[in-house]
Amino acid sequence: QKEVEQNSGPLSVPEGAIASLNCTYSDRGSQSFFWYRQYSGKSPELIMSIYSNGDKEDGRFTAQLNKASQYVSLLIRDSQPSDSATYLCAVASTSYGKLTFGQGTILTVHP
Amino acid sequence: EAGVAQSPRYKIIEKRQSVAFWCNPISGHATLYWYQQILGQGPKLLIQFQNNGVVDDSQLPKDRFSAERLKGVDSTLKIQPAKLEDSAVYLCASSPGALGATDTQYFGPGTRLTVL
Repeated sequence: QKEVEQNSGPLSVPEGAIASLNCTYSDRGSQSFFWYRQYSGKSPELIMSIYSNGDKEDGRFTAQLNKASQYVSLLIRDSQPSDSATYLCAVASTSYGKLTFGQGTILTVHP
Repeated sequence: EAGVAQSPRYKIIEKRQSVAFWCNPISGHATLYWYQQILGQGPKLLIQFQNNGVVDDSQLPKDRFSAERLKGVDSTLKIQPAKLEDSAVYLCASSPGALGATDTQYFGPGTRLTVL
């Protein structure tokens, strides 16, 4: 079983729709969860972090965490073509903040 | 504030040759990371430094890869000898915090290595 697994893509949504990205993790002791966006040929950039159960909203982005189910998700509302990228889920272990990344989900927002 | 700097941006070598990558983190950042990202996969941590000490190198292929962070600032990652499967983007990242912190990691532009 992969340590961090993301829903297989690619995911294609029309402009203005909600894009839903999912991630499961295997280490029950994980404490911190991150979503990174990576444009083609570029390096990852952090868009959301979440540490406690529930929802966290930042503009059009909402991260959701359920530690009991070992599940974290990212919702993008009012999707724009500029949101087209690979989204990486990353989970930090309890020791020294080591990040383990999922394989990424490619999102395409079409006009 | 200047970001994480890496060089070179691209490198093409023959298998069994050696190659070195350089990274200069954001000023004042204590923690430095080297990741390997193979096409279609997420980044995989190779080594993590806290100042000039190694925190985690469990996924570093030590028979061919080495890394150092002298004086706790910039860092070099070396591959000797390279194999075809080392073709990847090598990302350097840094974060400000102390050990155990869950800081944001800031990534450099990466070095794309092609091994022929």
